[in-house]
Amino acid sequence: EAEVAQSPRYKITEKSQAVAFWCDPISGHATLYWYRQILGQGPELLVQFQDESVVDDSQLPKDRFSAERLKGVDSTLKIQPAELGDSAMYLCASSGWTDDIQYFGAGTRLSVL
Amino acid sequence: GESVGLHLPTLSVQEGDNSIINCAYSNSASDYFIWYKQESGKGPQFIIDIRSNMDKRQGQRVTVLLNKTVKHLSLQIAATQPGDSAVYFCAESQAGTALIFGKGTTLSVSS
Repeated sequence: EAEVAQSPRYKITEKSQAVAFWCDPISGHATLYWYRQILGQGPELLVQFQDESVVDDSQLPKDRFSAERLKGVDSTLKIQPAELGDSAMYLCASSGWTDDIQYFGAGTRLSVL
Repeated sequence: GESVGLHLPTLSVQEGDNSIINCAYSNSASDYFIWYKQESGKGPQFIIDIRSNMDKRQGQRVTVLLNKTVKHLSLQIAATQPGDSAVYFCAESQAGTALIFGKGTTLSVSS
């Protein structure tokens, strides 16, 4: 069964350091999403890609966060510098042309010390 | 902005009972609704979805009901099993846009 792959699963870093997360969507899925989930809450969108283009990054803190999907396949989300409040689960999801279902990866749990 | 909310943060049921998890949404322009199950430390897992041109949709042991008049969504799980214990989220969107999630309901199933 096709899955969204994310790495690493866990990341511990100190504040002011740089971190990067990687996502490989389900093969053939043109739309890719990055969400952030704070413990006890639902995921919230950070950025949405359609192929290699950003469709919505209105909630992305652009002073420290960046995201790219250069070839329209896999994607990287970067935080520099990390702050204590960035501790959360970072989830990647993808969807295809046949339906609107977003399929999620297992996420990257970030802890900023 | 618009958001989706859930009526109860927790729900406890006995194994074999039917479970009903409720959700209220506020954006009348939303035309797509979806339920996810999330186990501890894992990503959300798709359960069932429904479009605004439908009132009811059934899957395996699950049914989603949509009441557009009162902006209410519910997930019914038949013969609830211990493996159904998780946090359940409803989410809404307009076609092709990102999902807006509620806070979730924690379902606990005791045997």
